[in-house]
Amino acid sequence: ILNVEQSPQSLHVQEGDSTNFTCSFPSSNFYALHWYRWETAKSPEALFVMTLNGDEKKKGRISATLNTKEGYSYLYIKGSQPEDSATYLCASPNSGYALNFGKGTSLLVTP
Amino acid sequence: KAGVTQTPRYLIKTRGQQVTLSCSPISGHRSVSWYQQTPGQGLQFLFEYFSETQRNKGNFPGRFSGRQFSNSRSEMNVSTLELGDSALYLCASSLLVNEQFFGPGTRLTVL
Repeated sequence: ILNVEQSPQSLHVQEGDSTNFTCSFPSSNFYALHWYRWETAKSPEALFVMTLNGDEKKKGRISATLNTKEGYSYLYIKGSQPEDSATYLCASPNSGYALNFGKGTSLLVTP
Repeated sequence: KAGVTQTPRYLIKTRGQQVTLSCSPISGHRSVSWYQQTPGQGLQFLFEYFSETQRNKGNFPGRFSGRQFSNSRSEMNVSTLELGDSALYLCASSLLVNEQFFGPGTRLTVL
């Protein structure tokens, strides 16, 4: 079973700050890396699926990079807004559709 | 397009009882996965069904079981409930291997 680790566990930033989180995973037998955003009382929402080393994806103010050789991915949020407050999860498949999740980074953005 | 629905949303049971949770995937999705989240833990993979067959199973005791019907709806059952089974249970449906759409979850409390 792949061990997916996320850091930091929680983060509190001011509106307008830029921030980033880390997801680390075993680099052997890599298949894909998923990022999700999970707001309280809602369903986890897929942000990115990354498969290629050096991949960089962007969605609005959020972007992610992937390094499969060293086993890490970074998620960046530029100019954080209160609506970005959520738990950010990363996950990597063990096999097929079975995702192995990290424990998440809980982000709080205050005005 | 309707999203993934889960019923019930909240459930209270007592130790020793059994419970059945239901998940209706997005129309056309044939894969349904189940996950458990307990306090302090990340999402833990329970099992995945595709075309009425269990394809993957996580590391959970035999008290946890599931099934999938011909219309792709899935149920999971937990027998002989224990206090530690109190958790949020999420299901996710997939059409393609690198995408999973999550439902809102069922919050199970075992007293």
